Amino acid sequence: DVKVTQSSRYLVKRTGEKVFLECVQDMDHENMFWYRQDPGLGLRLIYFSYDVKMKEKGDIPEGYSVSREKKERFSLILESASTNQTSMYLCASSSSGTSGYEQYFGPGTRLTVT
Amino acid sequence: KQEVTQIPAALSVPEGENLVLNCSFTDSAIYNLQWFRQDPGKGLTSLLLIQSSQREQTSGRLNASLDKSSGRSTLYIAASQPGDSATYLCAVVEDDKIIFGKGTRLHILP
Repeated sequence: DVKVTQSSRYLVKRTGEKVFLECVQDMDHENMFWYRQDPGLGLRLIYFSYDVKMKEKGDIPEGYSVSREKKERFSLILESASTNQTSMYLCASSSSGTSGYEQYFGPGTRLTVT
Repeated sequence: KQEVTQIPAALSVPEGENLVLNCSFTDSAIYNLQWFRQDPGKGLTSLLLIQSSQREQTSGRLNASLDKSSGRSTLYIAASQPGDSATYLCAVVEDDKIIFGKGTRLHILP
């Protein structure tokens, strides 16, 4: 089974702090994604990556950056956390092979910025 | 621009009933469609994936159908149980993007 893990389930940070959210997948998937989920707004794509060291902006990249130094790991970075970045963050991975881009999600990180 | 809509936003049905959840999308040029389940405060669990060339997929009590020409997919749940209570989301993949609906929150009444 595909497993996607995220470094923290719950995180509380102060405004202005630099925040790192880590995501690791164990199925050699080439595609990885970061979303945030907010009530009434649904899932919104922040960044995605198709390969190591590659990154593409999603719909709401402002205030975020990403890093993919290894195929299995995709990190989301909040350079200077703000209260409007309080949200549920979800990581996902997929492969363009026989699984046909089926997305697998991690358990999520509930981030609170105070 | 692709838009994915799920109506209704919330649904309550008595235990044991069969039910259908709806998903519509505006652009039929999709690669596949995926149904997910999300429990409160948790990540998304993949339920069924339908490739664009397929018409339906089945897993246990779940059956998902896809009609690309009309831009619709349905998720049929047979003999509903209280454990089916969750939010169900559909998502379409087109080119290099995946677009999610906002989900239907399902409550099965014991």
